[in-house]
Amino acid sequence: DAKTTQPPSMDCAEGRAANLPCNHSTISGNEYVYWYRQIHSQGPQYIIHGLKNNETNEMASLIITEDRKSSTLILPHATLRDTAVYYCIVRVAGNNAGNMLTFGGGTRLMVKP
Amino acid sequence: NAGVTQTPKFRVLKTGQSMTLLCAQDMNHEYMYWYRQDPGMGLRLIHYSVGEGTTAKGEVPDGYNVSRLKKQNFLLGLESAAPSQTSVYFCASSQTRTSGKGETQYFGPGTRLLVL
Repeated sequence: DAKTTQPPSMDCAEGRAANLPCNHSTISGNEYVYWYRQIHSQGPQYIIHGLKNNETNEMASLIITEDRKSSTLILPHATLRDTAVYYCIVRVAGNNAGNMLTFGGGTRLMVKP
Repeated sequence: NAGVTQTPKFRVLKTGQSMTLLCAQDMNHEYMYWYRQDPGMGLRLIHYSVGEGTTAKGEVPDGYNVSRLKKQNFLLGLESAAPSQTSVYFCASSQTRTSGKGETQYFGPGTRLLVL
């Protein structure tokens, strides 16, 4: 699975959009981009995933560049409850490693009043 | 649905003691996983199971054993606990291996283990 690079930390004002970048320059054509987040002391929570098209759900939007070497997770109106560590994970769908998720360091997002 | 539950929530062991962590899911998922998370680190996969009666090693399997006798339960055992196994343990489950939302992993609340 391709490695990812994320900034270690970011701040965002409450009510503003939070844009979390992720670089995955070695991504392969059959690898998906997944985003999970982990609120303090809780288990990780799935947010969104995509292959090459932009995706949106009730939690967030995922923008993937045309060359697929980077992506951005957008939380449109960040709240204090969005303070968490956000993990960008790139992996092949249905690989033989039991759907292993490789968690890197992630980005610690702090939403401030 | 309760989702993924873990028992116990917190445990203190002495070096050399044994214990079993229980994970249960009520979503009829085929796949189940055990991860550990050390302070300030990401999660690392210990063992996983692709179905009832089957298990496989993950990234850091040494010192742990697992069993999946029933589809809804996945047990993680520590035969002889060591201080290096002090960590937070997360269980997860997912539906299928195919692409898309079915691969999404759903995590339990975690078990905090302290080995003295």
